[in-house]
This record gives sequence, structure tokens and C-alpha cells, in this order.
Amino acid sequence: EVQLLDSGGGLVQPGGSLRLSCVASGFSFSSYAMSWVRQAPGKGLEWVSVVGDIGDTTYYADSVKGRFTISRDNSKNTLYLQMNSLRAEDTAVYYCAKDRWPNSGSYYDFDYWGQGTLVTVSS
Amino acid sequence: DIQMTQSPSSLSASVGDRVTITCRASQGVGNYLAWFQQKPGKAPKSLIYAASKLQSGVPSKFSASGSGTEFTLTITSLQPEDFATYYCLHYYSHPPAFGQGTKVEIK
Repeated sequence: EVQLLDSGGGLVQPGGSLRLSCVASGFSFSSYAMSWVRQAPGKGLEWVSVVGDIGDTTYYADSVKGRFTISRDNSKNTLYLQMNSLRAEDTAVYYCAKDRWPNSGSYYDFDYWGQGTLVTVSS
Repeated sequence: DIQMTQSPSSLSASVGDRVTITCRASQGVGNYLAWFQQKPGKAPKSLIYAASKLQSGVPSKFSASGSGTEFTLTITSLQPEDFATYYCLHYYSHPPAFGQGTKVEIK
């Protein structure tokens, strides 16, 4: 059974940093691209970032480019999102999401999601 | 960037009803279109991928169609567990984009 366990959220002051983690199980983690998607309170879904299966390819939404860094450790079946220079508008539930097809050069066809972790940016 | 627009933003329906949600893309996305269901406080759940393919384990009461710029999700015989918010997502190109969501409420 595919499981994705998101963690690392919390309350942080504007300008601060936070690192999110997503621990995967039930599938061959190193074969799949992984993304982070966020949802501000009461709002819709917004894609944030993707990392390819071996970690050499990354893309970011314009809203986080230069501030967030996505990475993965395939030996630990874990996806990360390092968030720096946090702003109030980054307040959201952050979900990791798994791509459907292994070893694919195309991304964003999500089949499984983590349960989400809440990041609150406030003074 | 490609924008996705869903309609309606919300709808009220009764148990047993058939409902249809539309998703329009600002430019063609082929069949690179997915649908998700989200209940309050929960993660999104995959329903449909490749515009019309049913995710494993999803009941056949959910169906979808379309290609290019216009897509529809249809739910037949609405049940209490189907009341939720539904999102479309294009994954044709970078960046992917979600529709704003359609909230299906009980009449």
C-alpha cells in the first residue's frame, strides 16, 4: 500500500525557515518524480515544486522560486522542501504528491498524496 | 502559462442526482487532464487521469470526457459521501495548474 507521511510544519515568523519532509513507503520511491502542492486556508490547490526520480531535475512555481529548494534522499525514501525567507502568503497546508508513472520524463500526473502538514507564517 | 477555469464554482444537489462539472483550459492540453476529490480536512484523492481514465478503486459512477480545451466530470446517483470539492488539473506542460474547484453541496 502506498503511503506518504508529511511532517515538519509549524508556526514560523516572517523571514524564517522551515524544512518539510515526506516519508514514502509501499512503492519504489527512487523510480518516481515527486511534487509539493499547497493549499492556503479556504483556498484552492497550488503546485509548488517537482523533483525528478533521481533528483537531478527540479522545477518551481514562480511564487517560490529562489526561496524554496526541493530535494530527495532515495536511500531514505524521503522528499524534502526547504523553505527560506517565508512570507505570510506561504501559510498553507503542504502536501507531497507522487507521480503515476515510473521513470517518466513528464511530470504532474499525481496518483497519491500525503496527508499534509500545516505551515503558518505569522509574527 | 495555461489557466484552468471550472464551472460552476459551487452547486447544490440532492441525493440521487446526476451532476456535471466543466473545466476549460486557456489553451489546448490534449488529454493531459486529471480530476481530484477533496473532502474537508483531507488530502485530495485521484478520480480520473488522462481525461477519461478511472483511477483504480474509484467507482464507475464517476466518469469524465473531453480533450483539448473543454472537459467534463459527471457523477451519477449522488450519495452523501460524494459531497466534496472537485478540482481539475492540467499536466500538459510546466507549470501544471489546478482549476479553482467546484464545491458540491447537499440541497
